[in-house]
Amino acid sequence: GAGVSQSPRYKVAKRGQDVALRCDPISGHVSLFWYQQALGQGPEFLTYFQNEAQLDKSGLPSDRFFAERPEGSVSTLKIQRTQQEDSAVYLCASSLAYGPQLVAFFGQGTRLTVV
Amino acid sequence: AQTVTQSQPEMSVQEAETVTLSCTYDTSESDYYLFWYKQPPSRQMILVIRQEAYKQQNATENRFSVNFQKAAKSFSLKISDSQLGDAAMYFCAFPSNFGNEKLTFGTGTRLTIIP
Repeated sequence: GAGVSQSPRYKVAKRGQDVALRCDPISGHVSLFWYQQALGQGPEFLTYFQNEAQLDKSGLPSDRFFAERPEGSVSTLKIQRTQQEDSAVYLCASSLAYGPQLVAFFGQGTRLTVV
Repeated sequence: AQTVTQSQPEMSVQEAETVTLSCTYDTSESDYYLFWYKQPPSRQMILVIRQEAYKQQNATENRFSVNFQKAAKSFSLKISDSQLGDAAMYFCAFPSNFGNEKLTFGTGTRLTIIP
């Protein structure tokens, strides 16, 4: 596609519910990142994929968070037993290859509200 | 660990005037990149400008330019001839080096344009 696409754009979940957030990166992009952005803050790194390999998951806040990218394109971020502190915008970004010079292209994010 | 600091939570500028947003960072690397991203209300992060640390020349993109002071670890963004469409959150970001180019973001500066 023309850009990074995330769905849904908004999600309201009851506390304890499981949610799945989807990211469609730009076609052919090797690197894929997930970030969590709390209200009024900068994005915080969650996890990183290079193709289908999850190379870094050090930012996942708990074992309730799980991400996958099984075929090296679409990625899903799953949050089990959601808690109120999980309320945030979840941003996905992709880049063409790897290297710190590369520009990351971001989606519009999914705003998750846990009630 | 890399850190990025933006000390101005909010800034405002008259339309057509110039404004400078500040960013300082800390790293032990000698060669790296720095980015400014813009986040409008749509939530999608958009690249504004990129600076390569080994280049002494400050990057420029149309009305946007940086003042990069490597020794001081300072990376400020200057917006000239401010336009209403420039209103957004601005984030300074620092990628990790080769292998996992996750971005470390500052806390952001909210820029308001006064007509």
